[in-house]
Amino acid sequence: QQKVQQSPESLIVPEGAMTSLNCTFSDSASQYFAWYRQHSGKAPKALMSIFSNGEKEEGRFTIHLNKASLHFSLHIRDSQPSDSALYLCAVRTGTGSNRLTFGKGTKFSLIP
Amino acid sequence: EAAVTQSPRNKVAVTGGKVTLSCNQTNNHNNMYWYRQDTGHGLRLIHYSYGAGSTEKGDIPDGYKASRPSQENFSLILELATPSQTSVYFCASDDWGFSQNTLYFGAGTRLSVL
Repeated sequence: QQKVQQSPESLIVPEGAMTSLNCTFSDSASQYFAWYRQHSGKAPKALMSIFSNGEKEEGRFTIHLNKASLHFSLHIRDSQPSDSALYLCAVRTGTGSNRLTFGKGTKFSLIP
Repeated sequence: EAAVTQSPRNKVAVTGGKVTLSCNQTNNHNNMYWYRQDTGHGLRLIHYSYGAGSTEKGDIPDGYKASRPSQENFSLILELATPSQTSVYFCASDDWGFSQNTLYFGAGTRLSVL
């Protein structure tokens, strides 16, 4: 069974900071890797995703995937108050499964 | 954007009672899912479905049943509710393998079992 782990559990940074959130997975056959963001009291919403090794940038957010290391990360530049949320990483296992397995989340906050 | 609607949004149930949570999606997605979210556990998959008439067990199916009578509707049934089932439940849909890889969530149902 796929195991997905996130670190750190929580993160507090000043506005404008750059930061990284990490995710490791256990199944080397995994083929889809995503980050979801969940503001307090709301539903999770997809932020960005990647299929192949490498990097993908969208605005202030960059996702980096290293399948050999069973690791992917989310980098946030110029942190804004609206970024304060729970960040969930998610992994889709390969052949024959539609299941998306989530990590427990990283609670990201800005220093007021 | 894909629309997933859950009802009710809040529910208080008694131990041993039957609870049905409903989910409707209007995007013609093949796949639908039920997750529960608890502090310290993240999102955990209860049941999912590949299409009308199909249901599959997720990671924590015990104490839950699911029903997919149509492409649009997916229900989660707690036949004998217990306090340990107090949680926030999310329904979601996608079209993985077809046109839509992103998982779209409903707004959630907060269930309290007393």
